[in-house]
Amino acid sequence: ETGVTQTPRHLVMGMTNKKSLKCEQHLGHNAMYWYKQSAKKPLELMFVYSLEERVENNSVPSRFSPECPNSSHLFLHLHTLQPEDSALYLCASSQERVGGYGYTFGSGTRLTVV
Amino acid sequence: KQEVTQIPAALSVPEGENLVLNCSFTDSAIYNLQWFRQDPGKGLTSLLLIQSSQREQTSGRLNASLDKSSGRSTLYIAASQPGDSATYLCAGSSNTGKLIFGQGTTLQVKP
Repeated sequence: ETGVTQTPRHLVMGMTNKKSLKCEQHLGHNAMYWYKQSAKKPLELMFVYSLEERVENNSVPSRFSPECPNSSHLFLHLHTLQPEDSALYLCASSQERVGGYGYTFGSGTRLTVV
Repeated sequence: KQEVTQIPAALSVPEGENLVLNCSFTDSAIYNLQWFRQDPGKGLTSLLLIQSSQREQTSGRLNASLDKSSGRSTLYIAASQPGDSATYLCAGSSNTGKLIFGQGTTLQVKP
């Protein structure tokens, strides 16, 4: 396991369901990120949190709702998703948002929307 | 706007070969360049991080270089092994902290 833990590892949900993805890091990092990885596409940045404050929302539909209750935890709340939202969702953290620090990624949640 | 391109998209080599993966970026105002490895269906494992003031980093059989003036980074893998088979991703960080990824090079090392 890396220093960033994501749960669940796999999730299958219907389009009317509500579910949440969880990310936890114990690296003492101040910045956390959600990325989406779809087949045949580069990783897409979704949200950026710095010191628990959302600093970037990369034109993500409102059916994805992030939450960062403290610097160690990040959630992605999902509701009324579409089949095209099926992807690998990756959480990452870095010491600070700016300054050239490296990112540490979790193992991801493989989401399938049926 | 920073764009990152990786060539080739896929590579198949016999075991023992030395190989080079290429990464190019459009904006030379890059803060750092990070190489990752991704196994099928898994998350990303950081391999090497080259800070803006550095030109290269080495870890075991891996060596990564960064040339900001030409907008290029290379990942050199010495004496490749079947266990090196994976997708290799490069990502550049801007001064706003945003990490922009290439599409990756999928490497297969045949025994």
